[in-house]
Amino acid sequence: DADVTQTPRNRITKTGKRIMLECSQTKGHDRMYWYRQDPGLGLRLIYYSFDVKDINKGEISDGYSVSRQAQAKFSLSLESAIPNQTALYFCATSGQGNSGELFFGEGSRLTVL
Amino acid sequence: GENVEQHPSTLSVQEGDSAVIKCTYSDSASNYFPWYKQELGKGPQLIIDIRSNVGEKKDQRIAVTLNKTAKHFSLHITETQPEDSAVYFCAAITGIMRFGAGTRLTVKP
Repeated sequence: DADVTQTPRNRITKTGKRIMLECSQTKGHDRMYWYRQDPGLGLRLIYYSFDVKDINKGEISDGYSVSRQAQAKFSLSLESAIPNQTALYFCATSGQGNSGELFFGEGSRLTVL
Repeated sequence: GENVEQHPSTLSVQEGDSAVIKCTYSDSASNYFPWYKQELGKGPQLIIDIRSNVGEKKDQRIAVTLNKTAKHFSLHITETQPEDSAVYFCAAITGIMRFGAGTRLTVKP
């Protein structure tokens, strides 16, 4: 089984709908992240959490919210999806310290029509 | 905040040739520089990293060099093989990790 599991892997939705992407991890890491990948733009950080009571905005948090339900679970929500949120979303985890390796899930491809 | 630029965006080489991908960063406080490989349909995976107190690091066919004065670092892949075909990302850390835009490497058999 994967150490970092994302659901759903693929989702097609319509403008204005609420969408939740879920992430769970079995690595026992405190730190969790949500990234967005767009062609030519690399991976951009949306939100991150260093422990259950900690939530921080990343580079592109507008239009997104997150919830850290437990050490192992970190979900990303789009309250009212819009077409320019069509992208590949990755959840990642890391251990303590500023130079910890990131472990990524396999991604959730979201299409907003 | 940190800004990481990566070149080229695409790179095509013949099997057995070398491939070089270059990145520059803006924040002189950055102290950790990882490289990630993303295969089709998968999440990125760390392949090699270098810390700011080291100038070069090698792991079999891959190596990374760091020039702190010029604020640039590079990934070198020698004797490329078709399985090296993937998207490669550089990154730099000042607090949180910032990624370059990625390089799509194609190794032609």
